[in-house]
Amino acid sequence: GQQLNQSPQSMFIQEGEDVSMNCTSSSIFNTWLWYKQDPGEGPVLLIALYKAGELTSNGRLTAQFGITRKDSFLNISASIPSDVGIYFCAGQGGTYKYIFGTGTRLKVLA
Amino acid sequence: DVKVTQSSRYLVKRTGEKVFLECVQDMDHENMFWYRQDPGLGLRLIYFSYDVKMKEKGDIPEGYSVSREKKERFSLILESASTNQTSMYLCASSYRGRGNEQFFGPGTRLTVL
Repeated sequence: GQQLNQSPQSMFIQEGEDVSMNCTSSSIFNTWLWYKQDPGEGPVLLIALYKAGELTSNGRLTAQFGITRKDSFLNISASIPSDVGIYFCAGQGGTYKYIFGTGTRLKVLA
Repeated sequence: DVKVTQSSRYLVKRTGEKVFLECVQDMDHENMFWYRQDPGLGLRLIYFSYDVKMKEKGDIPEGYSVSREKKERFSLILESASTNQTSMYLCASSYRGRGNEQFFGPGTRLTVL
C-alpha cells in the first residue's frame, strides 16, 4: 500500500535541542495526524490537524498543516530523553482510510 | 480518554493453528481497523469495519478474516496461521465523521513457529 514520505528517517539529537520533521504526499489531504510509538507499543495520537495552514500545539510539540495540503510538519522543542521513539504522520483524503508515513526514529543523547 | 484494548500482548502459535485476536474499544466508535506492522513496510491495513456485521477488505486481507458482532468488539482471525504472518498486529478505532482520528491499542506481537 501507499506510504507517505517522512524526513528525516532517523536523527540523533542532544537533550535540550529542538527537533523538526516533515511528511510529504503526492495527494491532497483533509486531515493530518501525528503519532508517537514506543518500542513494543501501539502508536499514541499526539496532534490532529483539520485545516490548511492550521498550527496546533500539545505541550512542547507543535504541528502544522501545510498550505498546499500535501505536507505537514512536527516540531519538538527542548527535547528530553523520553521523546525517544518513532514519530509517524498519517493523512486522510476523504475516505475512512488513513495513509501512514514511513516514520522518523528519534534518539536523544543525554 | 479513549481506550482500545487487545486481548494479548504476546502470542506464540504453531503453523496451521487457528488464531483469534480480539480488540475492544470503549468510546462507542463506529469504525474499527486491523493493521499489521512490519519493519520497512510500515502500517498495512488488513480489514476495516464501519458498523456491526459490516466489513471491508484493506490492502492485505489474504489469509485473514474478521468478525464484528458487537459495536465495541472487532476480532481478527487467522484461519490457518503461517510463518509469514509473524508480525505486530494493531487494532484501531475512530468515529465515522469529522474528527475521525484513529486511536490504537497496545498491539499484539504474534509469532508463528
